[in-house]
Amino acid sequence: RKEVEQDPGPFNVPEGATVAFNCTYSNSASQSFFWYRQDCRKEPKLLMSVYSSGNEDGRFTAQLNRASQYISLLIRDSKLSDSATYLCVVTRSGTYKYIFGTGTRLKVLA
Amino acid sequence: GAGVSQSPRYKVAKRGQDVALRCDPISGHVSLFWYQQALGQGPEFLTYFQNEAQLDKSGLPSDRFFAERPEGSVSTLKIQRTQQEDSAVYLCASSGKTSMETQYFGPGTRLLVL
Repeated sequence: RKEVEQDPGPFNVPEGATVAFNCTYSNSASQSFFWYRQDCRKEPKLLMSVYSSGNEDGRFTAQLNRASQYISLLIRDSKLSDSATYLCVVTRSGTYKYIFGTGTRLKVLA
Repeated sequence: GAGVSQSPRYKVAKRGQDVALRCDPISGHVSLFWYQQALGQGPEFLTYFQNEAQLDKSGLPSDRFFAERPEGSVSTLKIQRTQQEDSAVYLCASSGKTSMETQYFGPGTRLLVL
């Protein structure tokens, strides 16, 4: 079993829809959590960090559930430009290594 | 400001050839990371430098892989006697004063071994 698991998708949604992705992690000592976005044949770019209290950035909301060991990303009012792969990233306590999920592909359709 | 840059962007190698991949981190970033991303997968950690010191090389898949950062800035990932399974995108990332800060990724080098 991988340490960080994501549904690979693809999630095909119409413009304007709300879509949510989950990511589960197996190591309870995980400390930091991020969502990165990766466009086709491009590098990963930080979308947002995920905090215990949850956080929001415009149309994007991230939540952390330590008890159930998952993080989520909610995208409201999807745009065509949101089409990308969304990578869940976890770090273990006291370490620096990013542990990535396989990514979830999102396609927003006109 | 300038981000992380990598060269070459694409490399085709014949099996058995040696290759060298270069990473220029963001100026002033002390931490530098190499990741390998196979097709359809998330990046996987290879190695980590703090300044010129290689503090973790636990992710390097074999002794054919070697990384260095002699002056604490530019880093080179070298792969000797390339094999087809080495075909992947090699991503470099850097972060600021501490290794726990957000990592910023370069565009990657896409390596194809024939």
